[in-house]
Amino acid sequence: DAKTTQPNSMESNEEEPVHLPCNHSTISGTDYIHWYRQLPSQGPEYVIHGLTSNVNNRMASLAIAEDRKSSTLILHRATLRDAAVYYCILRSTGGYQKVTFGIGTKLQVIP
Amino acid sequence: DGGITQSPKYLFRKEGQNVTLSCEQNLNHDAMYWYRQDPGQGLRLIYYSQIVNDFQKGDIAEGYSVSREKKESFPLTVTSAQKNPTAFYLCASRDPGTGGIGELFFGEGSRLTVL
Repeated sequence: DAKTTQPNSMESNEEEPVHLPCNHSTISGTDYIHWYRQLPSQGPEYVIHGLTSNVNNRMASLAIAEDRKSSTLILHRATLRDAAVYYCILRSTGGYQKVTFGIGTKLQVIP
Repeated sequence: DGGITQSPKYLFRKEGQNVTLSCEQNLNHDAMYWYRQDPGQGLRLIYYSQIVNDFQKGDIAEGYSVSREKKESFPLTVTSAQKNPTAFYLCASRDPGTGGIGELFFGEGSRLTVL
């Protein structure tokens, strides 16, 4: 399975943009890049996903490098509610989808 | 409301006892997953099921068992063979989405403490 690498932790000031990086140098052509976040003592929730083009939704933006070996989750204006662990995972199409998560990046938002 | 329901939320058991964690979904999803999370760690996959009456071992299946007799239900049994069962357990179901790349929906988790 293709793996992802993320920094263990990051800090951001409230109301400033946050760029969370993810490296996936062994990504295959059919792998989608998905992001989830997990608030303390809760299950993860979906944030955004993409294949090749940059994507935007109400929660965040996803910027994907041209060679697809890295991506960046962008929170445009961090709030205290955005303090969470953010997971970058790769998903492939097909029947038996074994979905695995790494350790993720713990984002601390400073008031 | 549609979603994933895990029960119980907290569970205490004595060492050597089997424990079954419930996971029910009303999202009409075929695929379901069980993960284990230890403090400060990511999610590790225990078992997953793509369809009723079928399931596959994940990365840490030893000491666990599952069944998938109904689409809505995917219970996890933590057996006495699991050497360190104290953990936070998360169940998820997968939306098929476009091309099978739909998002995962998670329950609120079950926290198991073995005394």
